[in-house]
Amino acid sequence: GAVVSQHPSRVICKSGTSVKIECRSLDFQATTMFWYRQFPKQSLMLMATSNEGSKATYEQGVEKDKFLINHASLTLSTLTVTSAHPEDSSFYICSASRMPRPYEQYFGPGTRLTVT
Amino acid sequence: QQQVKQSPQSLIVQKGGISIINCAYENTAFDYFPWYQQFPGKGPALLIAIRPDVSEKKEGRFTISFNKSAKQFSLHIMDSQPGDSATYFCAATIGSSNYKLTFGKGTLLTVNP
Repeated sequence: GAVVSQHPSRVICKSGTSVKIECRSLDFQATTMFWYRQFPKQSLMLMATSNEGSKATYEQGVEKDKFLINHASLTLSTLTVTSAHPEDSSFYICSASRMPRPYEQYFGPGTRLTVT
Repeated sequence: QQQVKQSPQSLIVQKGGISIINCAYENTAFDYFPWYQQFPGKGPALLIAIRPDVSEKKEGRFTISFNKSAKQFSLHIMDSQPGDSATYFCAATIGSSNYKLTFGKGTLLTVNP
């Protein structure tokens, strides 16, 4: 159990366009979902935390108007990168946690975004 | 400010050897310490975790040693295998922070056959 999927796994978009990444918990209801970005050979950087039905909480330095997060249900969260630029190219990873063990995060396989 | 310091940055071990990765933290409010394994192009996978009221936890070939007074914890991989070659991240979290994870910078482990 505790499987998290992401779609798409890879996406290439042109500069100035928007792209949406989906994160789904397949076999459990996620109380909280997290979004990270990871640059090559670096650690994971938390972007935001979201709870179902609530506005996401963004980490310092993350532009909430650029990285729109929607947590519409207990199994789905989406990250929309608006007006993407080449510097937004990165590996985006979501994770989800569940009760009664909210401290355990289960990660998705990641989405490789390339902005040309 | 990096709150979890991880070392070494990279590690090469022979098959059958012991791999040891160390982490140190500053915030004494951390109350859960997981280790994640990540293969290239994949998301991290939870490997093993420990709470500060326990000094050691073992699951198969993987053991966490925890030293609360020194604010340090380490991952030991016994009988290391080439399939263990991956990047390992230590992390820490606080319940009161919505369980946000603070990650170390990672250790690239290579196990030679």
